[in-house]
Amino acid sequence: SQKIEQNSEALNIQEGKTATLTCNYTNYSPAYLQWYRQDPGRGPVFLLLIRENEKEKRKERLKVTFDTTLKQSLFHITASQPADSATYLCALSRDDKIIFGKGTRLHILP
Amino acid sequence: GAGVSQSPSNKVTEKGKDVELRCDPISGHTALYWYRQSLGQGLEFLIYFQGNSAPDKSGLPSDRFSAERTGGSVSTLTIQRTQQEDSAVYLCASSLGPWQGAPVVETQYFGPGTRLLVL
Repeated sequence: SQKIEQNSEALNIQEGKTATLTCNYTNYSPAYLQWYRQDPGRGPVFLLLIRENEKEKRKERLKVTFDTTLKQSLFHITASQPADSATYLCALSRDDKIIFGKGTRLHILP
Repeated sequence: GAGVSQSPSNKVTEKGKDVELRCDPISGHTALYWYRQSLGQGLEFLIYFQGNSAPDKSGLPSDRFSAERTGGSVSTLTIQRTQQEDSAVYLCASSLGPWQGAPVVETQYFGPGTRLLVL
């Protein structure tokens, strides 16, 4: 069955450092991979989308890589700030189907 | 409206009662999704509406769950004879596609969710 794996444990990163989150998947060939941010008590908010024929995409302090051979995406936040603390969800889509990972909790320590 | 809205924001009910949850998607968005998120868990897909097509109900956990979308806009998720395990946050999301010209679901815009507690 299709499976998405994200770091189940919280990730603690010192302010100013680069935070790297991992999303691995099996039994799936996504056309798109997306990253969302979710704060407590709120719905997820879209951050970035990368297509299967793209290797890397950037937006301000965010960078996403997509390796369809390894079936892995890395999500980087550079110059991290305490305000970046949240849960980050990885989502894969093909056709009209989209599946979400359970997310990784990120804590940026001041 | 500016975004996806959901009501109520919180709902406490007794076991065995029926509940209705409402979602107002972004105007013009043809696709609407319902998800359930339990504490510390990921998003569990429930049902998907696309335009006037028959909904994809493959994620509904039991026949106590149903949803409808009227006029291609507002959607209502109904849970009959609620059970304690139904307690969760119910999230609605809408998106522009997919459609024939852009067949893959892209950015989803989520509402704030309805927190359901079944006592």
